[in-house]
Amino acid sequence: DGGITQSPKYLFRKEGQNVTLSCEQNLNHDAMYWYRQDPGQGLRLIYYSQIVNDFQKGDIAEGYSVSREKKESFPLTVTSAQKNPTAFYLCASTIGLMNTEAFFGQGTRLTVV
Amino acid sequence: GENVEQHPSTLSVQEGDSAVIKCTYSDSASNYFPWYKQELGKGPQLIIDIRSNVGEKKDQRIAVTLNKTAKHFSLHITETQPEDSAVYFCAADSNYQLIWGAGTKLIIKP
Repeated sequence: DGGITQSPKYLFRKEGQNVTLSCEQNLNHDAMYWYRQDPGQGLRLIYYSQIVNDFQKGDIAEGYSVSREKKESFPLTVTSAQKNPTAFYLCASTIGLMNTEAFFGQGTRLTVV
Repeated sequence: GENVEQHPSTLSVQEGDSAVIKCTYSDSASNYFPWYKQELGKGPQLIIDIRSNVGEKKDQRIAVTLNKTAKHFSLHITETQPEDSAVYFCAADSNYQLIWGAGTKLIIKP
């Protein structure tokens, strides 16, 4: 089945540590996105990538980094510079630009302990 | 930049009744307005979308209406069922991104 897979589902991080969230898609989509979701808020865009080896900052990129070395993969690193990283992180992909259906992964819940 | 406001934040309806969720947007250049449903612990899933060249679109029990002049669009769910319980998000496209509303938690009472 085609889809988008995020791992792990739950992740615990100690303060001062970097962690990497995985996102893989087999939909052959060009564009991929990372969103952060906090309770009672809409999705906020962290980074997006329209093609391999290219990515752009979203509205809340500070403290995060990404790479897009392969079309299928778009990992997100939450660095120690992110002051409030506890949140639900969602990865999505679209065929082209974000005016077509977005397919989301199941999400990763990151908790700082 | 684009701002999308969504109301209400929580909506409780009796099973079988209709539910209406409303969104307003600010960017007059927006042309694409999707609605997503998110179940607990899962990623959002597209349920219906509308583009600015139409005023209404329907898919079985779900319909979306768009008023470009007033810059608002609404989701209508008729004959609600228990499986409709979820959080619903509206969004609007702006500068190659989607700007999201804050979500509406829909509760279906038996």
